[in-house]
Amino acid sequence: GQQVMQIPQYQHVQEGEDFTTYCNSSTTLSNIQWYKQRPGGHPVFLIQLVKSGEVKKQKRLTFQFGEAKKNSSLHITATQTTDVGTYFCAGPEGAAYKYIFGTGTRLKVLA
Amino acid sequence: EAQVTQNPRYLITVTGKKLTVTCSQNMNHEYMSWYRQDPGLGLRQIYYSMNVEVTDKGDVPEGYKVSRKEKRNFPLILESPSPNQTSLYFCASSRKGGGMGHEQYFGPGTRLTVT
Repeated sequence: GQQVMQIPQYQHVQEGEDFTTYCNSSTTLSNIQWYKQRPGGHPVFLIQLVKSGEVKKQKRLTFQFGEAKKNSSLHITATQTTDVGTYFCAGPEGAAYKYIFGTGTRLKVLA
Repeated sequence: EAQVTQNPRYLITVTGKKLTVTCSQNMNHEYMSWYRQDPGLGLRQIYYSMNVEVTDKGDVPEGYKVSRKEKRNFPLILESPSPNQTSLYFCASSRKGGGMGHEQYFGPGTRLTVT
């Protein structure tokens, strides 16, 4: 079946450093979603990308969807302690609403 | 306030004792889904529902049942829980339409321990 891999699994950065997590799907995705889960919390939607090569920005966060629509990335510029958490990508399997989540990247920011 | 609620938030039970985890949303969403979260495995979809009386299997449906009799509710039923169902469970909902996914709103989670 479809697989969505995320790397790295863990990342520790000093506050102010940049951070990037990568998401790779074994199949082409119609769209991709990104979520953030704070420690002890629930996933919270960040963004959805739909178009090939799409780039969207939210303040210090930059999201990209690959040209082949099989990979995506989330880049955080100048991390802050509030960025701590696990970041997940998720894509639908086929045209349905059966969502496959990546394994997540846990970000720790050292002050 | 728009929200997804789950009950109970924590549950410790014994093998074989049937249990139900309730999920309710107040956003009139058509789509609802259940996920389980385990360390190193991320979120895995158990079941999802596109609308009332329409449900389908996700990636890990074995040992679970769901029903969607009302739009707002989507209970998760474990007929005979086993220790390998010890996990953190999340319910989620979203709008449906346009042939494209929409933002999923997650509940606070239910931590289940089966001994």
